[in-house]
Amino acid sequence: GESVGLHLPTLSVQEGDNSIINCAYSNSASDYFIWYKQESGKGPQFIIDIRSNMDKRQGQRVTVLLNKTVKHLSLQIAATQPGDSAVYFCAESGGYQKVTFGTGTKLQVIP
Amino acid sequence: EPEVTQTPSHQVTQMGQEVILRCVPISNHLYFYWYRQILGQKVEFLVSFYNNEISEKSEIFDDQFSVERPDGSNFTLKIRSTKLEDSAMYFCATRTEAKETQYFGPGTRLLVL
Repeated sequence: GESVGLHLPTLSVQEGDNSIINCAYSNSASDYFIWYKQESGKGPQFIIDIRSNMDKRQGQRVTVLLNKTVKHLSLQIAATQPGDSAVYFCAESGGYQKVTFGTGTKLQVIP
Repeated sequence: EPEVTQTPSHQVTQMGQEVILRCVPISNHLYFYWYRQILGQKVEFLVSFYNNEISEKSEIFDDQFSVERPDGSNFTLKIRSTKLEDSAMYFCATRTEAKETQYFGPGTRLLVL
């Protein structure tokens, strides 16, 4: 039968390699950006955030890069592990407002 | 680590029936949100709630939807007369006054037959 719903872009990465997930946002007024991880059947889990006055922020094994000129956000995961397999959403907010989610990227880690 | 909790985890209902989805926010969080995610699609904003009032709502949040905080702890989403297209995962999210980060609950999977 015909499938319904969004076909998520998929990124397949070898275990131990670095992953880079990209996202384009549309709202120039957004000043707060978040990456969420969603495992199957679970709610979005906060990974890292960045405000518009920054272009880079690092966490544990993750780095977010923000390019406001081209409205581009990326998430870098160092030394990708099987537990990193999930759907990753970038999200934007006008700050203290609703969060608007992107369509998501499915990360598959190959052992 | 404190977490947002939601009940029930799954709910099956007949079209036209009322459902109430419940959320227990993290204890010092004062801003509350409901989102939904239709299977295979992205997460969509429904409504935000602060100080016992709706702050913002989306086009999805029509007259069939309502929210309240009946007892100072639970935050509920009520759908008065469910439709087939209401079938989705419903997520509650909460945050503090000081920080923008919203923390999501595990969701309630609603199936309308």
